[in-house]
Amino acid sequence: ETGVTQSPTHLIKTRGQQVTLRCSSQSGHNTVSWYQQALGQGPQFIFQYYREEENGRGNFPPRFSGLQFPNYSSELNVNALELDDSALYLCASSTDRGNEQFFGPGTRLTVL
Amino acid sequence: GQQLNQSPQSMFIQEGEDVSMNCTSSSIFNTWLWYKQDPGEGPVLLIALYKAGELTSNGRLTAQFGITRKDSFLNISASIPSDVGIYFCAGGNTNAGKSTFGDGTTLTVKP
Repeated sequence: ETGVTQSPTHLIKTRGQQVTLRCSSQSGHNTVSWYQQALGQGPQFIFQYYREEENGRGNFPPRFSGLQFPNYSSELNVNALELDDSALYLCASSTDRGNEQFFGPGTRLTVL
Repeated sequence: GQQLNQSPQSMFIQEGEDVSMNCTSSSIFNTWLWYKQDPGEGPVLLIALYKAGELTSNGRLTAQFGITRKDSFLNISASIPSDVGIYFCAGGNTNAGKSTFGDGTTLTVKP
């Protein structure tokens, strides 16, 4: 059974740029959630995708957008990067929008 | 919005001691979960609770779903050095899309 994988591991961008983060869900999982984790804090929910449709969104601006593909992998896109977007971005997968989520190792984004 | 308050923020204990931490919410959840996060990794699910009053164990870990549905507790018995890490509680509701996380309890175990 393959776990959740994320790419890239680390990323450095400058303010105003755009970034795409990728996630492959665990085998058999059809739901992917994205979280932002600032240093010293718990993960904050960005949005969830279930069978290629958005199923819930947290308090993040529209420049945070996502996509889920037919194989249930997912992308998180962030436009017009701001310094405060620097964080660990976590992807989690589950079955049928279930709360038992399995997390990937995260992508560390630094915005300069 | 929903907020989870986790306490204590950090704990320094001796190997072999028992540990208790808790999580309270201003809102009701129908699912409570406990995760552990090691440096440089994503959170790992430890225990999931689905029913008010439920008490569930996973090895040396025991968690309870509070009867008010607004709180949960995690106990670790006979702590060992590999218990070191950050423990997060999370609350969720069926098919609602999101889990709301607390800000974690950092556990340090002295050998």
